[in-house]
Amino acid sequence: AQSVTQPDIHITVSEGASLELRCNYSYGATPYLFWYVQSPGQGLQLLLKYFSGDTLVQGIKGFEAEFKRSQSSFNLRKPSVHWSDAAEYFCAVGSLYSGAGSYQLTFGKGTKLSVIP
Amino acid sequence: DSGVTQTPKHLITATGQRVTLRCSPRSGDLSVYWYQQSLDQGLQFLIQYYNGEERAKGNILERFSAQQFPDLHSELNLSSLELGDSALYFCASSEYREGDTEAFFGQGTRLTVV
Repeated sequence: AQSVTQPDIHITVSEGASLELRCNYSYGATPYLFWYVQSPGQGLQLLLKYFSGDTLVQGIKGFEAEFKRSQSSFNLRKPSVHWSDAAEYFCAVGSLYSGAGSYQLTFGKGTKLSVIP
Repeated sequence: DSGVTQTPKHLITATGQRVTLRCSPRSGDLSVYWYQQSLDQGLQFLIQYYNGEERAKGNILERFSAQQFPDLHSELNLSSLELGDSALYFCASSEYREGDTEAFFGQGTRLTVV
């Protein structure tokens, strides 16, 4: 069964500083990987996804993530954090099943990001 | 706005009661997923429907059931509610597409069982 580990429950950074959120996954095949963001009282918004190809993927809001198969990791990065980035971030792995063109997402526990002005 | 609509946004009910959560997927999306987010368990996949048929089941309790109607909207029915069922319930939808696809999430229904 697939699983996702986000080792950091809570991270605090200063505005303008760089950010890296860690994600490790366990999955038997080539993983489909996602990062979602959840602002307080809001739903989940997709930041970026990896299906195949270039292992460095660009997302919305200036985020990027790098897939490293050898380390089973998919860390999220941003070079300069803005106060509006304060939210909870979820890494997920998607397991495809045939016939439906769709998949089931397994989420990590999330990392809460606080930004100091 | 993801295009996925969930109603109601908030629901407060007593233990032992039954509630129905409703989800309207994005226009054209045939797949609907239900997820539960709780402090204890985090985000967990409950069940998926594709064009009216159940496709996959996750950690869904026997007291819970779902269905997808011909107009593609879906309902999640929760019965014999317990305090531990208090959670945020998300619906998501995706289109049928081999390979690259993504799930769009609604804003969720916050269920409080008292």
